[in-house]
Amino acid sequence: KNQVEQSPQSLIILEGKNCTLQCNYTVSPFSNLRWYKQDTGRGPVSLTIMTFSENTKSNGRYTATLDADTKQSSLHITASQLSDSASYICVVSEDTNAGKSTFGDGTTLTVKP
Amino acid sequence: GAVVSQHPSWVICKSGTSVKIECRSLDFQATTMFWYRQFPKQSLMLMATSNEGSKATYEQGVEKDKFLINHASLTLSTLTVTSAHPEDSSFYICSVEGFTEAFFGQGTRLTVV
Repeated sequence: KNQVEQSPQSLIILEGKNCTLQCNYTVSPFSNLRWYKQDTGRGPVSLTIMTFSENTKSNGRYTATLDADTKQSSLHITASQLSDSASYICVVSEDTNAGKSTFGDGTTLTVKP
Repeated sequence: GAVVSQHPSWVICKSGTSVKIECRSLDFQATTMFWYRQFPKQSLMLMATSNEGSKATYEQGVEKDKFLINHASLTLSTLTVTSAHPEDSSFYICSVEGFTEAFFGQGTRLTVV
């Protein structure tokens, strides 16, 4: 069964600090891995998308890495801001006709002043 | 990227009534749309895949007679929660899959009293 596991489940950091969120997956065959940010009560918004050949991608203060060999990804947030407080979801899609996506449970990040 | 509009953003209804939620793809013709449900502090759970011009595909455990899905055009899918009960109170989100990523609606907060 395809799985996506995220850690930690929740994280509290001080404003201005950096943090790294982890995503391990067993989805196969692999198509792409996406990180989304979901503010409370809103729909998820895409941060990064990576395919098999990409091992790093940045979007402003967000940098995602992918190791397709070990099936691990990380999302690094630099110089955190209060507005970064949200749930961060890792989604991995299959490289099949169905292209099914498996969602992680998310990491809830709280940035405190 | 595609813009997905969901309406209403929140709704309160009495137990036993039905509620319709609309999902519109504003700039992308979507033969397939996805409906998710999200309970507090949990990740998105796929309920069903909405297929334009044909029947929706429901995930295991989702009652198709309770959650009616209609995808009559390439830009509109609707989810009707029939005979709603308090346990149906949740956050419902739709999405459209682009070539490499999903675009989500803003979500609908349903509260059944």
